Amino acid sequence: EAQVTQNPRYLITVTGKKLTVTCSQNMNHEYMSWYRQDPGLGLRQIYYSMNVEVTDKGDVPEGYKVSRKEKRNFPLILESPSPNQTSLYFCASSFKSWNSPLHFGNGTRLTVT
Amino acid sequence: GENVEQHPSTLSVQEGDSAVIKCTYSDSASNYFPWYKQELGKRPQLIIDIRSNVGEKKDQRIAVTLNKTAKHFSLHITETQPEDSAVYFCAASGTGNQFYFGTGTSLTVIP
Repeated sequence: EAQVTQNPRYLITVTGKKLTVTCSQNMNHEYMSWYRQDPGLGLRQIYYSMNVEVTDKGDVPEGYKVSRKEKRNFPLILESPSPNQTSLYFCASSFKSWNSPLHFGNGTRLTVT
Repeated sequence: GENVEQHPSTLSVQEGDSAVIKCTYSDSASNYFPWYKQELGKRPQLIIDIRSNVGEKKDQRIAVTLNKTAKHFSLHITETQPEDSAVYFCAASGTGNQFYFGTGTSLTVIP
């Protein structure tokens, strides 16, 4: 089944404790991206990747890191999480960067206390 | 960068009526405009999209119209049903390799 898989679904952590949210797609998509969803703000892009070893900042990259060592994986790293990073996170992929539908993972609800 | 505005933020309609959600965008280079439906607790899923070389697209009860001159596009849902209740997001993308989303419309269909 073609899908984008995110883990974990739920995560509660404390300020400053490094964490990684994994994202994997099995559709051989070139484009992958991370979004955070907050009430009233819609979906805001954190980082995106056009292909292996090619990443770039979205609109809200502060406090986040990503890597794209393999085509299928695009982990989101929070080196020192803070409470303002409490949010619902979605990973998504598409065949090409634009003009192609995004396929979303099931989301990761992160709480930082 | 691109700025996508979406209205209204909430919409209630009677079952069987039509619903219309409107979005405007700022970057004339944007050329792809998808709409996503997000049911409570679930991921956004594409319901329809339109490219800049097309003015209108229909898929059963759902249609999208695009006015490039005015830089706005709209989602039309006819004969609404309770299962249409969800949050709907518009988006725009273009040569900047990014997707820009509207802030969402919470649609409630009243049986």
